[in-house]
Amino acid sequence: GDSVTQMEGPVTLSEEAFLTINCTYTATGYPSLFWYVQYPGEGLQLLLKATKADDKGSNKGFEATYRKETTSFHLEKGSVQVSDSAVYFCALSVRRNSGGGADGLTFGKGTHLIIQP
Amino acid sequence: AAGVIQSPRHLIKEKRETATLKCYPIPRHDTVYWYQQGPGQDPQFLISFYEKMQSDKGSIPDRFSAQQFSDYHSELNMSSLELGDSALYFCASSLGGYTGELFFGEGSRLTVL
Repeated sequence: GDSVTQMEGPVTLSEEAFLTINCTYTATGYPSLFWYVQYPGEGLQLLLKATKADDKGSNKGFEATYRKETTSFHLEKGSVQVSDSAVYFCALSVRRNSGGGADGLTFGKGTHLIIQP
Repeated sequence: AAGVIQSPRHLIKEKRETATLKCYPIPRHDTVYWYQQGPGQDPQFLISFYEKMQSDKGSIPDRFSAQQFSDYHSELNMSSLELGDSALYFCASSLGGYTGELFFGEGSRLTVL
């Protein structure tokens, strides 16, 4: 079945440090890939996405590139801020229902990111 | 902008009781998803609906059922509650069936005592 593996947390960094959160996947077919972020006490918010190989998703200084050859979608940010502290989930979706239908997302276990001033 | 509305936000029940969670999707969104997130866990997909029909089914227990109504809101019914059902239940919505991009509500926290 489909699965997502992401690096274990918590990940603790100092402000302005470079961030990488690794994510790899296995899927039947050609998935779309996503990063969602969950701030304390809130629901998940879409951070960025990529729908085909070599696409790069970017938002709020975060980037991730869909690498089909390595089945990866690593999240990066050049300079993190305290406000980036949250749990980050890598996720995939494979379209199984032709002509419409709502296929669920498969999430990784989440990576808790802590940014210290 | 209007977001996904879930109610109640918090719910406390005893074992073997029944609970109902409601989800109101973003206006004009026709697709609803339900997820269960245990403490420190990743969200687990339960079930989804597109145009009022069940579309995909994940790890939803037989004790749970759900439906999507004519106004596109959805309800998740949970019966014979067990301690292990204590979790945060998220609803998400999207437009037009499969898009992969889901908009999540803030969740309903169920505590079973």
